[in-house]
Amino acid sequence: ETGVTQTPRHLVMGMTNKKSLKCEQHLGHNAMYWYKQSAKKPLELMFVYSLEERVENNSVPSRFSPECPNSSHLFLHLHTLQPEDSALYLCASSPGGYRDTEAFFGQGTRLTVV
Amino acid sequence: GQSLEQPSEVTAVEGAIVQINCTYQTSGFYGLSWYQQHDGGAPTFLSYNALDGLEETGRFSSFLSRSDSYGYLLLQELQMKDSASYFCAVRDNYGQNFVFGPGTRLSVLP
Repeated sequence: ETGVTQTPRHLVMGMTNKKSLKCEQHLGHNAMYWYKQSAKKPLELMFVYSLEERVENNSVPSRFSPECPNSSHLFLHLHTLQPEDSALYLCASSPGGYRDTEAFFGQGTRLTVV
Repeated sequence: GQSLEQPSEVTAVEGAIVQINCTYQTSGFYGLSWYQQHDGGAPTFLSYNALDGLEETGRFSSFLSRSDSYGYLLLQELQMKDSASYFCAVRDNYGQNFVFGPGTRLSVLP
């Protein structure tokens, strides 16, 4: 257990559905991240939040919409996804700041778009 | 931008020593980290180097040469449970993000 919990672990959705991924950390961290991990590709950074403010949006399509209501929770709202969006979506957190040396990852949500 | 390179696959036998290399090109540098990820699991932190040299943590060691933009992870006394993917990662020039390499899949054979 890393202290970062993601739900659901598995999700199958149609291209017209709307769903949300949830991430929760109780480590007292100030930075939270969404990463996408596809087969045979590096971990791709999607969004970064620091103290509940979005500080990075890595050219992610608008069909992915993040929300960070407080420093412990992070959501990724999904709508009108494409089959190529099927991947493992990983949430991570870190204490926050230049001196961070480690990111703590959740177990991920395995998303399948049909 | 940032880019990191690692070998895609490495195979070794139990008890052996294996080295996984990582080269990076970044517009800024705040340290090189290594993560392990088993199939179906989350990446977990192994080590971090901010300065040149070798850091040792049990069977795992990590090395950094900032002048060569190069580092490696050294795994000794390999065990079957070490079969996993290993990622190097750097902090970007703003220190906000962890940028990951493509990963190296290590297979440990009996």
